[in-house]
Amino acid sequence: GIQVEQSPPDLILQEGANSTLRCNFSDSVNNLQWFHQNPWGQLINLFYIPSGTKQNGRLSATTVATERYSLLYISSSQTTDSGVYFCAVKKSNTPLVFGKGTRLSVIA
Amino acid sequence: GAVVSQHPSRVICKSGTSVKIECRSLDFQATTMFWYRQFPKQSLMLMATSNEGSKATYEQGVEKDKFLINHASLTLSTLTVTSAHPEDSSFYICSARGDSYEQYFGPGTRLTVT
Repeated sequence: GIQVEQSPPDLILQEGANSTLRCNFSDSVNNLQWFHQNPWGQLINLFYIPSGTKQNGRLSATTVATERYSLLYISSSQTTDSGVYFCAVKKSNTPLVFGKGTRLSVIA
Repeated sequence: GAVVSQHPSRVICKSGTSVKIECRSLDFQATTMFWYRQFPKQSLMLMATSNEGSKATYEQGVEKDKFLINHASLTLSTLTVTSAHPEDSSFYICSARGDSYEQYFGPGTRLTVT
């Protein structure tokens, strides 16, 4: 099946810093989603981005489908950004496959 | 965005009993629903996929007689953990998908079996 690798596995940032999270996947996909799992376990949809670039406030994402990777940018990080960021992908008629996540800690 | 609810959010049960978890799509019709399991500090593992009105498709290694899934309507799916044991303790998360490829997730149910 499709493989999803996320890096880095762990990241500690000072409040106000910027960061880039990466997601590599092993096959062509028709869906790629980024999620933030908060400390209570809720998965929050950040981006649905099978290709191209999107921005939402301090977050933006870029997927280069032909090169099988996606990047999530967090600018001016805040303590509320802490949690686990997951990338998940799918091919046609298959369920979402999750990466192992990047655990982000933003310290004041 | 689309909203998916899950109930209960937390449940404690005794070994040998059964527990039912409900998953509802509140503002869209979910043609497909998914059930995931997550262990502490790990990623989500897909347990099964269900389409409204048909039998669920279970992932390899998931016991279908232990984890009963019913997707009776376009807005409701249930997961019943039968004869629960302590090793079934976990965080269970449902997800729903409508007409688009995007999936939306419920807030999860933390099951503790004593």
